[in-house]
Amino acid sequence: EAGVTQSPTHLIKTRGQQATLRCSPISGHTSVYWYQQALGLGLQFLLWYDEGEERNRGNFPPRFSGRQFPNYSSELNVNALELEDSALYLCASSSTGSDQPQHFGDGTRLSIL
Amino acid sequence: QQQVKQSPQSLIVQKGGISIINCAYENTAFDYFPWYQQFPGKGPALLIAIRPDVSEKKEGRFTISFNKSAKQFSLHIMDSQPGDSATYFCAASGFGGGADGLTFGKGTHLIIQP
Repeated sequence: EAGVTQSPTHLIKTRGQQATLRCSPISGHTSVYWYQQALGLGLQFLLWYDEGEERNRGNFPPRFSGRQFPNYSSELNVNALELEDSALYLCASSSTGSDQPQHFGDGTRLSIL
Repeated sequence: QQQVKQSPQSLIVQKGGISIINCAYENTAFDYFPWYQQFPGKGPALLIAIRPDVSEKKEGRFTISFNKSAKQFSLHIMDSQPGDSATYFCAASGFGGGADGLTFGKGTHLIIQP
């Protein structure tokens, strides 16, 4: 069974640009979560999508947004990039139901120059 | 506000020894406590998880101990091996990992010396 896949592996942008990160969940999983892993800040919850809807978001500004497609894959969009957005962005998926464990992909390393 | 405090930040254990990592939480609404293992260049991998209705859960060499009254939980790695060298994260959530995402500790960098 394929795990959570994320693309691209690395992404280099400059300040003010927009970045789009993609995630394909484990087959059969309907929930997708996005986390930011920044140096010194640890893993922080960004967004949760389930059945195509945004269900919850963490303490991040509105320029972090995303969507979930009918096939349950997801995109994370970051607008007006700032230097502090440099981080590893991790996607996790889980089965339907709020009590299911989350399984992570290997992330997209976003570097802002 | 850091809601899950993890210690130590780094840990060196001899091969065959017991590695112990501790976490404390503040939010009494948390009811799901997983541990993740992360190797360099990889995403976190779920190791083991526990809910507050049990005080201990064991899977192979990995054991979670949970103290609800103290709002603390810990990971014990028995017979630690060099392959266990990784960063370990404790986490917690209020609805079994779903509704409000996982709140992570800051991680423990574990080194097992051969």
